[in-house]
Amino acid sequence: SQTIHQWPATLVQPVGSPLSLECTVEGTSNPNLYWYRQAAGRGLQLLFYSVGIGQISSEVPQNLSASRPQDRQFILSSKKLLLSDSGFYLCAWSVWGQTYEQYFGPGTRLTVT
Amino acid sequence: SQELEQSPQSLIVQEGKNLTINCTSSKTLYGLYWYKQKYGEGLIFLMMLQKGGEEKSHEKITAKLDEKKQQSSLHITASQPSHAGIYLCGADDRGSTLGRLYFGRGTQLTVWP
Repeated sequence: SQTIHQWPATLVQPVGSPLSLECTVEGTSNPNLYWYRQAAGRGLQLLFYSVGIGQISSEVPQNLSASRPQDRQFILSSKKLLLSDSGFYLCAWSVWGQTYEQYFGPGTRLTVT
Repeated sequence: SQELEQSPQSLIVQEGKNLTINCTSSKTLYGLYWYKQKYGEGLIFLMMLQKGGEEKSHEKITAKLDEKKQQSSLHITASQPSHAGIYLCGADDRGSTLGRLYFGRGTQLTVWP
């Protein structure tokens, strides 16, 4: 069966510090991968998606970036965090098929102080 | 793109009561996905509807897609505290080849004993 992992689970970082969040998927090959942010009182905002190694598309211009160094690994990064980067970050995967359901990881709670 | 309106935004019910959550789109829905999220956790996929008039059930949760495929409802029978959480609907965009989902803002459900 497929599983998705995210770490760390929680993170408290000062403004201006770098960020690296990791997501890995097990049990499937060549998944589509997604990074979302969920801010308090707001819906899910799609940040990045990837259909293959090295293929990253950005939805929202910001100081975040994403990379996919391996088929089942997706990394969200920042060189300098802003207060507005605080939120709950979710990674998800899906596979090509007739339906588009995505499966989500447990999330990372990021607080920028 | 796809915009989804969920109602109500929040719902507080007594254990044992039935409840309904609605999800409405301004466009025809090709696929409608229901998720549940407990606070601080990832989204759990509940079910997916594709055909007009389709109805699916999972334990005491039933979801329907109307004939016009622009509205879906999620009905919980005899609610329990375990049903508490945020329910989100998502829709896929068949105009995109990227498996993207658009989400509503969610409905916060509280079930008190």
